[in-house]
Amino acid sequence: RKEVEQDPGPFNVPEGATVAFNCTYSNSASQSFFWYRQDCRKEPKLLMSVYSSGNEDGRFTAQLNRASQYISLLIRDSKLSDSATYLCVVTNTGGFKTIFGAGTRLFVKA
Amino acid sequence: DTAVSQTPKYLVTQMGNDKSIKCEQNLGHDTMYWYKQDSKKFLKIMFSYNNKELIINETVPNRFSPKSPDKAHLNLHINSLELGDSAVYFCASSQGGFAGSNYGYTFGSGTRLTVV
Repeated sequence: RKEVEQDPGPFNVPEGATVAFNCTYSNSASQSFFWYRQDCRKEPKLLMSVYSSGNEDGRFTAQLNRASQYISLLIRDSKLSDSATYLCVVTNTGGFKTIFGAGTRLFVKA
Repeated sequence: DTAVSQTPKYLVTQMGNDKSIKCEQNLGHDTMYWYKQDSKKFLKIMFSYNNKELIINETVPNRFSPKSPDKAHLNLHINSLELGDSAVYFCASSQGGFAGSNYGYTFGSGTRLTVV
């Protein structure tokens, strides 16, 4: 089992749609969780951290379920500019080691 | 104003050559990293330095040697380049202990290495 798994997609959605991505992780001692966004041929950029109580940033909502070992990202009212690859990122306790998921590709169409 | 800058942006070289990639961050972060992103888009950590001290050294061929002259710089030297080394190499930095703690990484724009 991979340490961090994501549905690779692609997800093709129309503008204005709501789309959700899930990500599972295998290490129950994982401590920090993030979603990053990577545009084609660009560097990954931090989208948001994921907190135990769930958190929201505008149209983006992130949730963490420690019991089931998954995190999710919900994008409401999708924009064309949301088209990118979304990377789930997990940091394991006790070290400086961070595991990146392979990413979920999102295409938002007019 | 660039927060994490790496050079060169593109590097095309022949097998067997030795090359270096440089990285500098002006964020005052205490930890820097090298990541490799292969053709399947997996991002894998190679090295991590905290205050100039090597703290992560993943299973990477010893042809790859990082050097951190100070906490704002982390360079990567690659000896005897092979075809399989072709990838995008990202430098990153973070603050606050392990792997970005709650603040995440700031990545450089990447160096696209092509070995021919």
